[in-house]
Amino acid sequence: DAGITQSPRYKITETGRQVTLMCHQTWSHSYMFWYRQDLGHGLRLIYYSAAADITDKGEVPDGYVVSRSKTENFPLTLESATRSQTSVYFCASSDGQGQPQHFGDGTRLSIL
Amino acid sequence: QQQVKQSPQSLIVQKGGISIINCAYENTAFDYFPWYQQFPGKGPALLIAIRPDVSEKKEGRFTISFNKSAKQFSLHIMDSQPGDSATYFCAARGSSGYALNFGKGTSLLVTP
Repeated sequence: DAGITQSPRYKITETGRQVTLMCHQTWSHSYMFWYRQDLGHGLRLIYYSAAADITDKGEVPDGYVVSRSKTENFPLTLESATRSQTSVYFCASSDGQGQPQHFGDGTRLSIL
Repeated sequence: QQQVKQSPQSLIVQKGGISIINCAYENTAFDYFPWYQQFPGKGPALLIAIRPDVSEKKEGRFTISFNKSAKQFSLHIMDSQPGDSATYFCAARGSSGYALNFGKGTSLLVTP
């Protein structure tokens, strides 16, 4: 089915570990986004990408790394996880500037 | 800082009643104002959106009212149903921007 898929859906890891969250979309949307959702904060933008090999920082980029070698994939890596990065992470995509964003179902990440 | 302020944080409405959620923004460069609906365990889904050249947009039981001079917009859910129980997020985006600035969300409970 066409859409946006995030994996894993749930992940538990320890502080200091590296963890990568995957995002794959089948629409060939040019824009992709990573948000984190925390109680009391709503959704906050971590990084976004306007096209393959083009990425830019959002509101809360510290501690995260992204890459976009292919249009359909936009992985998010926590290089050395910290407890403050425990959150629900959402990936989104859109067809262009001014177009609606479509969200995946999220990855719930717990860092112990 | 929070660019979009949303209230109330939570809302309880009886079945058949009207649910009203309010948002305010400061950045006059914003020109796209969507509302997202989120059910537990799912990603946000676009519900309805408005641009500032109109004061109201209606889709079924959902209406956005927009007051450009006051820099406020609101979501009205008419004839609220238990199936409308979800978290609602308002958001805003500038004409030259890609990413959405979200409010902190409103948890709506519609009682039978």
